[in-house]
Amino acid sequence: GAVVSQHPSRVICKSGTSVKIECRSLDFQATTMFWYRQFPKQSLMLMATSNEGSKATYEQGVEKDKFLINHASLTLSTLTVTSAHPEDSSFYICSASGQGYEQYFGPGTRLTVT
Amino acid sequence: GDSVTQMEGPVTLSEEAFLTINCTYTATGYPSLFWYVQYPGEGLQLLLKATKADDKGSNKGFEATYRKETTSFHLEKGSVQVSDSAVYFCALSFTEGGSEKLVFGKGTKLTVNP
Repeated sequence: GAVVSQHPSRVICKSGTSVKIECRSLDFQATTMFWYRQFPKQSLMLMATSNEGSKATYEQGVEKDKFLINHASLTLSTLTVTSAHPEDSSFYICSASGQGYEQYFGPGTRLTVT
Repeated sequence: GDSVTQMEGPVTLSEEAFLTINCTYTATGYPSLFWYVQYPGEGLQLLLKATKADDKGSNKGFEATYRKETTSFHLEKGSVQVSDSAVYFCALSFTEGGSEKLVFGKGTKLTVNP
């Protein structure tokens, strides 16, 4: 149990376009979802926390207008990178937690902006 | 703010060797401590955790003891296997805004050769 999926696993987009990444909890209801960004040989950096039906809470230094997060249901959260630029290229990872505090992680999405 | 420092890799061992991956933390409160493992192509999985000082977390032959006096949570395994090859992340948790957030170390890549 406690499986989290992400789609797509890899995406390449052109500079200036927007790309949406989906995060789904497959077998539990996720009251809270988290979005992380991971640079090569770096740790996961928390970008934002979202609770179902509420606006996301962004970490300091993360542009909320650039990284749009929607948590419309208890099983789905989306991250949209708007007007993407090459510096947005990274590995994006989501996690979800239900009744308990434990976070279950998705496999990640590799975004490359050309 | 809270932070986690873990030994940099990569670490390469022969099968049945002893493993230690060092992890130290800085925190203002009394965090829970975690080790996560990321196998190639997969999401992070919780390996073990400890919630208070002197607790020992263990799973799959791995152990780590929460040492408050040295602010450490070193990961050990007495005899590694090829299947243990993965990236290991040390992390701590803190509660903010009603959510339990994680702070990760940079990760240590372990390769075990037959």
